Amino acid sequence: KQEVTQIPAALSVPEGENLVLNCSFTDSAIYNLQWFRQDPGKGLTSLLLIQSSQREQTSGRLNASLDKSSGRSTLYIAASQPGDSATYLCAVSHNFNKFYFGSGTKLNVKP
Amino acid sequence: GAGVSQSPSNKVTEKGKDVELRCDPISGHTALYWYRQSLGQGLEFLIYFQGNSAPDKSGLPSDRFSAERTGGSVSTLTIQRTQQEDSAVYLCASSLQGSAYEQYFGPGTRLTVT
Repeated sequence: KQEVTQIPAALSVPEGENLVLNCSFTDSAIYNLQWFRQDPGKGLTSLLLIQSSQREQTSGRLNASLDKSSGRSTLYIAASQPGDSATYLCAVSHNFNKFYFGSGTKLNVKP
Repeated sequence: GAGVSQSPSNKVTEKGKDVELRCDPISGHTALYWYRQSLGQGLEFLIYFQGNSAPDKSGLPSDRFSAERTGGSVSTLTIQRTQQEDSAVYLCASSLQGSAYEQYFGPGTRLTVT
């Protein structure tokens, strides 16, 4: 069974700092990987989707990388802002169906 | 266009009652997912619908849980004889066609069983 782990569980940084969130998965035969953010009391917002054949995806200050063979993905956030404070979740999919989610990293960016 | 919508946003029910949660996916999305998120936890997969195929029910925690999707659009998650451990946020997501495409989530239904 696929297991997705996110480290650290929580992270607090000063505004302006660059940071990296980590996601690892036990079964490397994934179809794709998706990063989300979740604000308190809200649903999930998709940030980036990386297909298994891709190495990275970029959107604004966000860059997600995928190393399928080692079962790892990172989400890089440049020049962090207080508005980036949220919980970040990664999810992997297999066989064109369901996603397996990590438990998230709670990020706090201090002004 | 409109995103995924869920109703009700909050539901408080007494133990033993049945509840129905509704999800309206994005128009044209053939895939629909239900997840459960308990306080401070990650998302737990419940059930997945893809077009007219038989749903993947492998995540349903017990036979008190069931879901249907009528006309390939709206879905209803039903929990019978609710228990306190059913208290959680129930999230619905849709995608264009399976997990090859991004999932878009609704705001969730917060269920509290007293």
